[in-house]
Amino acid sequence: EIVLTQSPGTLSLSPGERVTLSCRATQSISSSYLAWYQQKPGQAPRLLISGTSSRATGIPDRFSGSGSGTDFTLTISRLEPEDFAVYYCQHYGSSRGTFGQGTKLEIK
Amino acid sequence: QVQLVESGGGVVQPGRSLRLSCAASGFSFSDYAMHWVRQAPGKGLEWVAVTSYDGFKNYYADSVKGRFTISRDNSKITLYLQMNSLRREDTAVYYCARELNILSFNYYGMDVWGQGTTVTVSS
Repeated sequence: EIVLTQSPGTLSLSPGERVTLSCRATQSISSSYLAWYQQKPGQAPRLLISGTSSRATGIPDRFSGSGSGTDFTLTISRLEPEDFAVYYCQHYGSSRGTFGQGTKLEIK
Repeated sequence: QVQLVESGGGVVQPGRSLRLSCAASGFSFSDYAMHWVRQAPGKGLEWVAVTSYDGFKNYYADSVKGRFTISRDNSKITLYLQMNSLRREDTAVYYCARELNILSFNYYGMDVWGQGTTVTVSS
């Protein structure tokens, strides 16, 4: 069973800063099946990135994803006030889906 | 407008059953695999189950396997989750979500989500 571990658990940052979120898998996974989501309080998750690096429709280009093997990252180049939320990585493989535990971005 | 609307949540006693529904609109429902994802109060997301676009291939999280059944009726444009032998730890908001890629048996992400329906398992 693949486990995704996200780090850090919480980040306190200011608008305008650059941030990189980490997602590490317990074994090598195909980059085709790694996605990132954003969730704000009281809302459903929103797909940001699929296939490790492909932005979903309507996602600003300040969001980017990269990685391979067991290590994947989501980078927000310049934080906007609306980016403060919880971010999840997710993988589908071996007939099951898995989410990381999430990273909370909070305003400093 | 592409939309998913869940229903069927509520308060149920441990050991009892509940069936959730997810009504789709604005897209060709029968062309997409569909997922259920849940979120316990104050916790992260947990993938629950997926059904292929044709409904013939269904997969489950270990935590619900043997108790939950995912199904779909493409003629009614509706996804279902039959939940039996409910446990307190099944208490969560349940979301249905559309698979990203059309007509695929490989699953890459979930690009359309419903607003969720709340299930509370309590005596």
